[in-house]
Amino acid sequence: DADVTQTPRNRITKTGKRIMLECSQTKGHDRMYWYRQDPGLGLRLIYYSFDVKDINKGEISDGYSVSRQAQAKFSLSLESAIPNQTALYFCATSDLGSTGELFFGEGSRLTVL
Amino acid sequence: GENVEQHPSTLSVQEGDSAVIKCTYSDSASNYFPWYKQELGKGPQLIIDIRSNVGEKKDQRIAVTLNKTAKHFSLHITETQPEDSAVYFCAASYFQTGANNLFFGTGTRLTVIP
Repeated sequence: DADVTQTPRNRITKTGKRIMLECSQTKGHDRMYWYRQDPGLGLRLIYYSFDVKDINKGEISDGYSVSRQAQAKFSLSLESAIPNQTALYFCATSDLGSTGELFFGEGSRLTVL
Repeated sequence: GENVEQHPSTLSVQEGDSAVIKCTYSDSASNYFPWYKQELGKGPQLIIDIRSNVGEKKDQRIAVTLNKTAKHFSLHITETQPEDSAVYFCAASYFQTGANNLFFGTGTRLTVIP
């Protein structure tokens, strides 16, 4: 089983719908992240959390919200999806005081029509 | 914030040849420079990293070089193999305990032709 699991892996939705992407990890890491990947733009940080009580905005947080339900769970919500939120979304984890390595899930592909 | 530029966006090489991917960064405070490899349908995976107190680091067929003065760092892959075909991302950050906010480059799609 993957250490960082994202659900759903693929989702097609319509403009205006609320969408939640979920991430769970078995690595025991304190830190969790949500990144967005677009062709030609690389990976951009949406939100990150260093522990259950700590949530921080990244580069591109507008239109997104997150919830850290437990150390192992970090979900990303789009309250009212719009077409330019069509992208590949990655959850990642890292360990406090570690080398800095991020461990990524396999991605959630979201299409907003 | 940090701005990382990566070139080229695509690179094709013959099997056995070398491949070089270059990145520049804007924030002189950045001190941690990892490289990630993303295979088709998977998330990125760290392949090598370098810190600002080191000029070069090698791991078998891959190496990374860093020029702090010019704010350049590069990935070198020697004796390329078909399994090296993937998208490669460079990244930069000011790494300290409690901070892992990486800024990624836009990626290089490497194709190794058998």
